Amino acid sequence: DSGVTQTPKHLITATGQRVTLRCSPRSGDLSVYWYQQSLDQGLQFLIQYYNGEERAKGNILERFSAQQFPDLHSELNLSSLELGDSALYFCASSVAQVWTEAFFGQGTRLTVV
Amino acid sequence: AQSVTQLGSHVSVSEGALVLLRCNYSSSVPPYLFWYVQYPNQGLQLLLKYTSAATLVKGINGFEAEFKKSETSFHLTKPSAHMSDAAEYFCAVRGAQKLVFGQGTRLTINP
Repeated sequence: DSGVTQTPKHLITATGQRVTLRCSPRSGDLSVYWYQQSLDQGLQFLIQYYNGEERAKGNILERFSAQQFPDLHSELNLSSLELGDSALYFCASSVAQVWTEAFFGQGTRLTVV
Repeated sequence: AQSVTQLGSHVSVSEGALVLLRCNYSSSVPPYLFWYVQYPNQGLQLLLKYTSAATLVKGINGFEAEFKKSETSFHLTKPSAHMSDAAEYFCAVRGAQKLVFGQGTRLTINP
């Protein structure tokens, strides 16, 4: 158990819908990273938050957004879903702003039908 | 920009044999390098990391990796494979504010 909790574990939804993925970091960790894992693209960095503020942005679509709340949990919002958004979405957390050692959650498997 | 290339998307070895998973990196600055393992339906777990200290890094589960600057390599090895080592392995390099992952190598262990 990494100490990073992601909910839900599985999500099946229809095209055009909107979903919210939740991540609770390890106790004491201030950074949260979101990654998308798909068969064709591999592990792609989406976005990082540190202590409530956005710190880095990767290949995140405009239909996707994220935020980190005062209690440090983070949510990834995916809207106008397309079939190609089906993937595993991971979050990872670390103490520092810069990646030294981060711990991954078990992921949310999103299936868009 | 930092990047890594994992040579071989699939590697198959016999139980008890040497495991060698290859990773080459590209970095404009002294790299921080990582190996992660992903078991089926699990998240990624850190195996080991190189942060510019000793060039031979020992990790969990008997794995180790050697940083070779002249070859820009960070290959992962284990002297004797065990059935429980079957998983996907990812090499990664630290970029600006994030980790950049390779495409992964699926390791299969034959009895």
